Amino acid sequence: AQTVTQSQPEMSVQEAETVTLSCTYDTSESDYYLFWYKQPPSRQMILVIRQEAYKQQNATENRFSVNFQKAAKSFSLKISDSQLGDAAMYFCAGDGGSQGNLIFGKGTKLSVKP
Amino acid sequence: NAGVTQTPKFQVLKTGQSMTLQCAQDMNHNSMYWYRQDPGMGLRLIYYSASEGTTDKGEVPNGYNVSRLNKREFSLRLESAAPSQTSVYFCASSDNRVSPQHFGDGTRLSIL
Repeated sequence: AQTVTQSQPEMSVQEAETVTLSCTYDTSESDYYLFWYKQPPSRQMILVIRQEAYKQQNATENRFSVNFQKAAKSFSLKISDSQLGDAAMYFCAGDGGSQGNLIFGKGTKLSVKP
Repeated sequence: NAGVTQTPKFQVLKTGQSMTLQCAQDMNHNSMYWYRQDPGMGLRLIYYSASEGTTDKGEVPNGYNVSRLNKREFSLRLESAAPSQTSVYFCASSDNRVSPQHFGDGTRLSIL
C-alpha cells in the first residue's frame, strides 16, 4: 500500500522569501508519479507540479520546484519569491497504481506574511 | 473559459433521499473523476471514467453510482444518502491517464 506523509500541518513564510514544504511517499512501485496540489480558501484544487519517478531531473514550474530524492522517498516543494496569493493548503499526492487513484497527504497550510 | 462546471454548489439532504451531482467539462478531455474531501484530509477517489462509455471504481465507491453520459458529462448519484456521505465533492478532468488536471469548484453536501 502506498502512503503519503506531510509532517508539517502549518508553515509560514515572509513575502518574497523562499519556503520548502516536505512530503514523503512510500510505495513498492518502481514507476509512479508524484504531485503537489494547491487549495486556496476558494476551495478549488489546482495542480501545481508533477514529477515522474523515473526522471532524474526535478520538475520546475516558474517559482515552484521540487526536490525528489527517490531513495529517501522524499518529495519536497520549494516556493521561491513567495507571494500573498500562495497562501493555501498544499497537498502532496502520489498515484496509487491505478488511474486517478491518487493517495493524498493530509496537507500543509501555508501562510504568507506581508 | 468554463473548464469544469459542477452543479449544485451546495445541497442539504435528509437521510435516505437521493440526488445526482452534475459535472461537465468543455476541454474535450477523455478522463473524468469524482472525489470527496472530508475535513482535514486530502481527496479520495470515488469513481473515474477513462473515456466515454467506461467507468471504474476508485477507493471509496460504496453508496455511489456514476454515469458517463457523453464525453462532456460525468454525473455522480447517491441513491440513498447517509450522514457518512456528508462531504465536499469534486469533479475533475484530464487529457491524460495519469492525473486530474482541472477541478470544478466543488459541491458541499450535507446529509442530516
